Amino acid sequence: DTEVTQTPKHLVMGMTNKKSLKCEQHMGHRAMYWYKQKAKKPPELMFVYSYEKLSINESVPSRFSPECPNSSLLNLHLHALQPEDSALYLCASSPQRGSSYNEQFFGPGTRLTVL
Amino acid sequence: DAKTTQPNSMESNEEEPVHLPCNHSTISGTDYIHWYRQLPSQGPEYVIHGLTSNVNNRMASLAIAEDRKSSTLILHRATLRDAAVYYCILRGSGGSNYKLTFGKGTLLTVNP
Repeated sequence: DTEVTQTPKHLVMGMTNKKSLKCEQHMGHRAMYWYKQKAKKPPELMFVYSYEKLSINESVPSRFSPECPNSSLLNLHLHALQPEDSALYLCASSPQRGSSYNEQFFGPGTRLTVL
Repeated sequence: DAKTTQPNSMESNEEEPVHLPCNHSTISGTDYIHWYRQLPSQGPEYVIHGLTSNVNNRMASLAIAEDRKSSTLILHRATLRDAAVYYCILRGSGGSNYKLTFGKGTLLTVNP
């Protein structure tokens, strides 16, 4: 299984809602990532988990809260988002974190709209 | 991170070869050259990577200039399914090698 799955595919939420995005991989990868991609722009890294521990936070606002319950799962909890947070949220995984030659495997993304 | 420069867009015809260029004049000796592509409505997908020598895999070939200041991704016979944004990315051995820093990429259009 060389797939990264993400649920839901689409999410619409109000600014006072709390919601979560889910990502799953069964490739035995020990590094997992959240990227954010605004329309017509390239993806930008948000968080990196290595061996289920948060290792990198790219100065992301606290209304985004990541969680890695186990080595296969990655969640992104959303609370009090703003309309400008509307974007495609991409999850990725790789065999390990710090390698300049390991490829990253991406999921199809969750398209988030904040009203 | 060392920067890459790619054309904003390119066009090709189906079943013809496509050469996608990337300039990276500030590349360091330990930077790997990676290529990813993003098909419409999908996440990015790894294509190929190399360090110094040319590389081939089932998807594409990567030709790296002798001075490593540029590289070319070669799709040998473009299909409609190859229409995507192609990103050329440098990954070094330093502290930031955990992440992919995407540039603007090249939007490839394939005409039937």
